[in-house]
Amino acid sequence: DAGITQSPRHKVTETGTPVTLRCHQTENHRYMYWYRQDPGHGLRLIHYSYGVKDTDKGEVSDGYSVSRSKTEDFLLTLESATSSQTSVYFCAISDEADPSTGELFFGEGSRLTVL
Amino acid sequence: KNQVEQSPQSLIILEGKNCTLQCNYTVSPFSNLRWYKQDTGRGPVSLTIMTFSENTKSNGRYTATLDADTKQSSLHITASQLSDSASYICVVSPYSSASKIIFGSGTRLSIRP
Repeated sequence: DAGITQSPRHKVTETGTPVTLRCHQTENHRYMYWYRQDPGHGLRLIHYSYGVKDTDKGEVSDGYSVSRSKTEDFLLTLESATSSQTSVYFCAISDEADPSTGELFFGEGSRLTVL
Repeated sequence: KNQVEQSPQSLIILEGKNCTLQCNYTVSPFSNLRWYKQDTGRGPVSLTIMTFSENTKSNGRYTATLDADTKQSSLHITASQLSDSASYICVVSPYSSASKIIFGSGTRLSIRP
């Protein structure tokens, strides 16, 4: 299994509070991604990173920010959580120079509930 | 709009039987098509990956096919086992675009003893 650790695995929070999810990898892969998975939807890209301090927005980036200060860590922050952000969040990594050809390795997911 | 549609949404079969899951896509041109298996409460794990020029790829009891002309792919599972109970996700990647990888919503497969 690829060395990807997500934390926390489960979190319950209240509307309006800040939340940070952490993804840690031991594979030294260049690309890191944050996705959310909701019933009836495919995984949707929130943000991704193609190197330290290099990040870009995905399809559903509103209300989320990310940071990558080290190769191994990619943080996803919800500045003020809303109920619509209740979801399961997955981190993924890839090592390919062309990420569209490479395999994605996923973490185990972080289940976030916003009350 | 690029889309990936999977059918059926859910499927129940008896242990030992075969089944086929379908994926239709509108992404064009594309770099590759992948099938992932996702166990309940876990992250997706890759089963197969095919470029646009390949038309079949096997991984044990899993065989994926691709028809680039009709923009259809299928995943065939032979001699199903209880451990095959999972969601199966079709994923299509456009060329050189990390942000445009498109995931289907998956087929939920349940294997009954």
